[in-house]
Amino acid sequence: EVQLLESGGGMVQPGGSLRLSCVSSGFIFNNYGMSWVRQAPGKGLEWVSYISGSGGSTYYADSVKGRFAISRDKSKSTVYLQINNLRAGDTAVYYCAKNEAAPGHHNWFDTWGQGTLVTVSS
Amino acid sequence: IQLTQSPSSLSASVGDRVTITCRASQTISNYVNWYQQKPGNAPKLLIYSASTLQGGVPSRFSGSGSGSDFTLTISSLQPEDVATYYCQQSYINLYTFGQGTKVDIK
Repeated sequence: EVQLLESGGGMVQPGGSLRLSCVSSGFIFNNYGMSWVRQAPGKGLEWVSYISGSGGSTYYADSVKGRFAISRDKSKSTVYLQINNLRAGDTAVYYCAKNEAAPGHHNWFDTWGQGTLVTVSS
Repeated sequence: IQLTQSPSSLSASVGDRVTITCRASQTISNYVNWYQQKPGNAPKLLIYSASTLQGGVPSRFSGSGSGSDFTLTISSLQPEDVATYYCQQSYINLYTFGQGTKVDIK
């Protein structure tokens, strides 16, 4: 069974930093891209970042570019999201998602973790 | 690429046919996926590549469309379908979601 388990969320002051982790199991980790998607309280879904299976390609939403960094560790089957210079607008549940792809631009999130809550408040 | 869903919310009776639309700000071929999110839960993939049903998803869900207009249809609404539904595009590597459509039972 494919499983994703996020951790690392919590309450942090504006300007602070956190590192979120997502441990994967049930699939060949290196074969799949991974993404982070967030959801502010009572709001919709916002894609944040993507990393390819090899780790060689990364993409970021404009809203987080320069402040967030995605990475992955093959030996631990884990993807990370380093979030810096946190703002109140970053308060959200952060979901880790496994990307599935097909030839062309077909790319979808076929498995999601349960999410980890990040609260930015003074 | 912006995705605009309509309506933002709807209320329908059990057994009704429900249609949700998703319009893209530019043509995106069939690079659209649909997700269901029940309250308190993570999203769940329903349909990918505009019309392919994800394994295990009931056949009352279907998707269609190409270019810039896409549709998610529930052929016979069931109580367990109460949720918010999102479309998502993968035409460019800056993936975006629609704002969501909340579905409940009348």
